[in-house]
Amino acid sequence: EVQLVESGGGLVKPGGSLRLSCAASGFTFSSYSMNWVRQAPGKGLEWVSSISSSSSYIYYADSVKGRFTISRDNAKNSLYLQMNSLRAEDTAVYYCAREGLVGKKYYFDYWGQGTLVTVSS
Amino acid sequence: DIQMTQSPSTLSASVGDRVTITCRASQSISSWLAWYQQKPGKAPKLLIYKASSLESGVPSRFSGSGSGTEFTLTISSLQPDDFATYYCQQYNSYLGRTFGQGTKVEIK
Repeated sequence: EVQLVESGGGLVKPGGSLRLSCAASGFTFSSYSMNWVRQAPGKGLEWVSSISSSSSYIYYADSVKGRFTISRDNAKNSLYLQMNSLRAEDTAVYYCAREGLVGKKYYFDYWGQGTLVTVSS
Repeated sequence: DIQMTQSPSTLSASVGDRVTITCRASQSISSWLAWYQQKPGKAPKLLIYKASSLESGVPSRFSGSGSGTEFTLTISSLQPDDFATYYCQQYNSYLGRTFGQGTKVEIK
C-alpha cells in the first residue's frame, strides 16, 4: 500500500525557517518524481515544487522561488522541503504528492495527509 | 503563468442529477489536464488525467473531456459520496503546474 506521511509542520514566526519531511513507503520511491502542494485555510490548492526521481530536475512556483528548497534522499525514501524567510501567506497545509509514471506523469496519484504550517508572530 | 478558471464556483444539485463542471485555461494546454476530488479535512484524490482517462478505481459515472483551453468534468448521476470540492490541474513544460480555484458541489 502506498503511504506518504508528512511531518515537521508547526508554528513559526515571520522570517523564520522550517523543514518539512515526507516518508514514503509501499512503492519504489527512487522511480517517481515527487511534489509539494499546499492549501491555505479555506482556500484552493497551490502547487509549490517538484523534484524528479534522481533530483536532476527541480521546479518551484514563483511564490516560493528563492525561499524554499526541495530535496530528496532515495536511500531513506524521504522527501524534504526547506522553507526559509517564511511569510504569513505561507500558512497552509502542505501535502506531499507522488507524480504518476508514463501516462500519468505530471499528475498526482497519491497524496499524504498533510502537515500544517502556521506563520504568525 | 497559465491561469485555470473553473465554473461554477459552487453548484447545488440533487442525488441523481447530471453535473458538469468547466475548466478554462488561459492558453492551450493540449490535453494536459487532471481533475481531483477533495472532501473536508482530506487530501485530494485523482479522478481523471490526460483530460479524459479515468483513474483506476474511480466510478465510471465520472468522465472528462476537452482539449486546448476548455475542459469539462461530468458526473452522470450524482451520488451522496460525490458531494465535495473538485479541482482541475494543468501541466505546462515551461510554466509548471496550476490548479483551478475549485468547484464546490453542494446538496440542493
